[in-house]
Amino acid sequence: EDQVTQSPEALRLQEGESSSLNCSYTVSGLRGLFWYRQDPGKGPEFLFTLYSAGEEKEKERLKATLTKKESFLHITAPKPEDSATYLCAVQDYTGNQFYFGTGTSLTVIP
Amino acid sequence: EAQVTQNPRYLITVTGKKLTVTCSQNMNHEYMSWYRQDPGLGLRQIYYSMNVEVTDKGDVPEGYKVSRKEKRNFPLILESPSPNQTSLYFCASSFDGGRPSNEQFFGPGTRLTVL
Repeated sequence: EDQVTQSPEALRLQEGESSSLNCSYTVSGLRGLFWYRQDPGKGPEFLFTLYSAGEEKEKERLKATLTKKESFLHITAPKPEDSATYLCAVQDYTGNQFYFGTGTSLTVIP
Repeated sequence: EAQVTQNPRYLITVTGKKLTVTCSQNMNHEYMSWYRQDPGLGLRQIYYSMNVEVTDKGDVPEGYKVSRKEKRNFPLILESPSPNQTSLYFCASSFDGGRPSNEQFFGPGTRLTVL
């Protein structure tokens, strides 16, 4: 059964305190792994796509990495505006079905 | 502005009263999908559509119907809503769901309460 597990469920960081979010997955024939950001009351907003082990992508203070079984979202020197829920999703071998994790709620304290 | 719109944004209804949530995108996307988001369960895919007149079930299709008669619209139909369909619903679209690099663009969500 295709599954996505994110940890931790919630994370509180002081401004400037770097950390990592984890997304572990089991899927038959991964086509792509996606990271999204979701602010309260809004739809998810795309951040990154990764689709092969060893791949890395960066955007401002965020860096996403992928292995055969998990992905990490590294947050370097976070700011309060980085506070949000971060969602991980995998795309199955058909390319049409997506499985989301339950997210990590990040709070960055000034 | 490129966007996915959903209507209504909020809806309170009663058990058994048929309802439709509309979804429209202006990006000429081929792929569209519906999700529901529940606390502790995350986003779960209800139905998806690869193109006009082509739809298929996602992970949790029971109690829902969809249609795709035009490329831009993908309505979600609840013919006999029940309280366990109380949830936050999101519509999403992408150029072609089969391409590994294609991110989905999400609508603002519809909060549905079934009494």
